[in-house]
Amino acid sequence: SAVISQKPSRDICQRGTSLTIQCQVDSQVTMMFWYRQQPGQSLTLIATANQGSEATYESGFVIDKFPISRPNLTFSTLTVSNMSPEDSSIYLCSVAADTQYFGPGTRLTVL
Amino acid sequence: QKEVEQNSGPLSVPEGAIASLNCTYSDRGSQSFFWYRQYSGKSPELIMSIYSNGDKEDGRFTAQLNKASQYVSLLIRDSQPSDSATYLCAVRPNAGGTSYGKLTFGQGTILTVHP
Repeated sequence: SAVISQKPSRDICQRGTSLTIQCQVDSQVTMMFWYRQQPGQSLTLIATANQGSEATYESGFVIDKFPISRPNLTFSTLTVSNMSPEDSSIYLCSVAADTQYFGPGTRLTVL
Repeated sequence: QKEVEQNSGPLSVPEGAIASLNCTYSDRGSQSFFWYRQYSGKSPELIMSIYSNGDKEDGRFTAQLNKASQYVSLLIRDSQPSDSATYLCAVRPNAGGTSYGKLTFGQGTILTVHP
């Protein structure tokens, strides 16, 4: 199994600012992902965080808005840039190991 | 057309009854299917995975897969109030490669088990 932690657990931010979310896994994993869950909605994959190279983004998500770092096999960050109220969501880190696990999530509110 | 569809509910069942949750998917090449449970304010928790046609049982949970009909279901026997949550159906397009781990989720079914 994999234990995933995320920081911060929640934040309230002002429009136009940026927030960086950290994801730490207790073991080395090849595949790490970032998902978004908007209020009352299901999960949508933002991108695959690739170790040592640029992230792979899904349709509708771009690097300028959601830059991702993956410096090693246990850690990744997601930045939500130039935030607007529409970015208010829960952001979840996920890893694929023996199965797929999700972190506890970061609840972001943008005013 | 949504790729993974579920009835959003809410589905309400009495304690001790069988809850039946359904999911259809559009990608016929999909290989792996998952049911996650999500309590309010919490992250999704995997409760069942199924990869081949037929039934898979784990305790009170049974997952059923019919690839010809592109249909997957979850049965919860002897439902308990603690089963009240949103149940998410997730599909992975193929067995490996670059799609591994890239799950497509349905919108979730809200289940309420009342005493």
